[in-house]
This record gives sequence, structure tokens and C-alpha cells, in this order.
Amino acid sequence: DAKTTQPPSMDCAEGRAANLPCNHSTISGNEYVYWYRQIHSQGPQYIIHGLKNNETNEMASLIITEDRKSSTLILPHATLRDTAVYYCIVRVRSNDYKLSFGAGTTVTVRA
Amino acid sequence: DGGITQSPKYLFRKEGQNVTLSCEQNLNHDAMYWYRQDPGQGLRLIYYSQIVNDFQKGDIAEGYSVSREKKESFPLTVTSAQKNPTAFYLCASSLLGQGYNEQFFGPGTRLTVL
Repeated sequence: DAKTTQPPSMDCAEGRAANLPCNHSTISGNEYVYWYRQIHSQGPQYIIHGLKNNETNEMASLIITEDRKSSTLILPHATLRDTAVYYCIVRVRSNDYKLSFGAGTTVTVRA
Repeated sequence: DGGITQSPKYLFRKEGQNVTLSCEQNLNHDAMYWYRQDPGQGLRLIYYSQIVNDFQKGDIAEGYSVSREKKESFPLTVTSAQKNPTAFYLCASSLLGQGYNEQFFGPGTRLTVL
């Protein structure tokens, strides 16, 4: 699976959009980008995933660059409950269901 | 409510003792996973199972053992051979099949070995 690079931390104001970058310059054509988040002392929670096209669901939007070497997770209106560690994961969509979590980005939403 | 339960939330053991962490799911998921998380780190896969009576080692299986006698249950035993057992342990489950199936995580068990 391709390696991902995320900033270690970022702050965001409550009510504003939070844009979380992820670099995956070695991504291959059959690898997907997945995002999970982990609120302190809880289990991770799935957010969204995508291959080439931008994706949106009730939690967030995922913007993948045309060359697929980077992506951005957007939380449109951050709330205090969005404070968490966000993990960007790149892996092949296959029968191997393992996930490899890096250190992620610690997002702090401030009032 | 459907979900994954892990018990206990906090567990203390003396060094040299084996300890078993419980994980139960009522989501009818085929696959179950155990991860370990150390402070400030991401999750690392210990073991996973895709079917009853079968399981595979993950990236850090040494010092751990598992069983999968029932679809709903995937207990993890931390043996005395695990050199640094103090950590946050997370269990997860997912469906199998075509396409991507998200992993659902339990609340975790924080193990402290004294």
C-alpha cells in the first residue's frame, strides 16, 4: 500500500470549514483513498473513501487531485465534536481487508 | 442496538500473567480484527479472521493469540511473551465481499501491565 503524509496537527474555528490535506504521491492506479477519524480514547470511525472522483456524504467531502497524488478531506462546518485524529489511508480494494493507520492529523476545533 | 462490545474498558494485570480481552459483535459481520495502539501512534494490526475457525497474523502477532470459535466472538489473549503489553487494544469487524466494506470499531480496552 502507498505511503501517506499528513500534517501532525491543525486548528480550526468552530463553524468554519476544515480542510485536511493528505499527500500520497506514490499511489497506484488501483489504490483507493480512505479517511477515518478517532475521537480521544474511542475506536476509529469511517468517514469517506474515493478513487478518482470527488465524493461527498453526510459527514464530509473528499477532493482528489487529477493526478491522484494528493487529496483533501473537507469538514464543511466544523463543530467541537469534530475534534479528533484524522487518518488518511491508501490501499488496494481487494480481499485483503487490512487497514494501515499512520499517525494522522490531530484536528482541534476551537470555539 | 447493533455494534461491537469490548470488555472490560480498563484492565490491570501483573507482569508475567496472561490476559484475555473480549470482543463480541452482533452485526453479523464475517471478518473481525484486533489492533493495538500506543500513545501518539496509529493502529497496528495484530490478528484478523475472515471466517470461523480461521485467522491470520497481522503485522505484530508475536506474544498474542486469538480464537474464532463463533462468528460473533474474537477474543485476544495477551501472553507473557509479549514484551510491552501495556497499550490500547481495539477490536473491529466488517462484512466481506465485493467492494469496500468499512470497519466498525469497538470502544477499546486499555490494558496496563504493572
